[in-house]
Amino acid sequence: QVQLVQSGAEVKKPGASVKVSCKASGYTFTSYEIHWVRQAPGQGLEWMGWMNPNSGKTGYAQKFQGGVTMTRNTSISTAYMELTSLRSDDTAMYYCARWDKKLYAMDVWGQGTTVTVSS
Amino acid sequence: DIQMTQSPSSLSASVGDRVTITCRASQSISHYLNWYQHKPGKAPKLLIYVASSLQSGVPSRFSGSGSGTEFILTITNLQPEDFATYHCQESYTTRLTFGGGTKVEVK
Repeated sequence: QVQLVQSGAEVKKPGASVKVSCKASGYTFTSYEIHWVRQAPGQGLEWMGWMNPNSGKTGYAQKFQGGVTMTRNTSISTAYMELTSLRSDDTAMYYCARWDKKLYAMDVWGQGTTVTVSS
Repeated sequence: DIQMTQSPSSLSASVGDRVTITCRASQSISHYLNWYQHKPGKAPKLLIYVASSLQSGVPSRFSGSGSGTEFILTITNLQPEDFATYHCQESYTTRLTFGGGTKVEVK
């Protein structure tokens, strides 16, 4: 079945970087954009950006420009989201999601990766 | 930037109730509005896309309506598995802004 499986929980110190992976299966990885969304404790969902796995082209929310990099390895159908210069307010659950352009919506989501930033 | 405002932020309901959640956009987004259900410890789940289209596999007790700036998610005959947080999201712009969420709790 179609699924996205994310890497495990991370604990990082302020100023460090974190790289979360998102492995796709059950569909052609290069045919759908991958988007990243996060949810901080007690907060709503926040869209971070997108990546086209075919071209590698990316687009980031203004808030994250300069601090996030989205990449992919098509040989293993895996997308990555790297966040640098971590701060305590980056503590959140991070989700990858497949964008279906026919639906104009995110139709398949990963299970989420908890990133905790603490000294 | 478009702002998405959901109301209420939380509500209490009983099994069998009819529940309505409103999402308002700060400017017209045509029909480019999605609804997601989110349960603790689970991934969000797409319920409704482009305002009123039911995602495959989603029960018909969920429905969406609206266009322009005001949208409604309706759950008829609320079931135990429907207690969750519901998020709207605009897909009119490339910023894909979410609303703040509405938590549906047990009365």
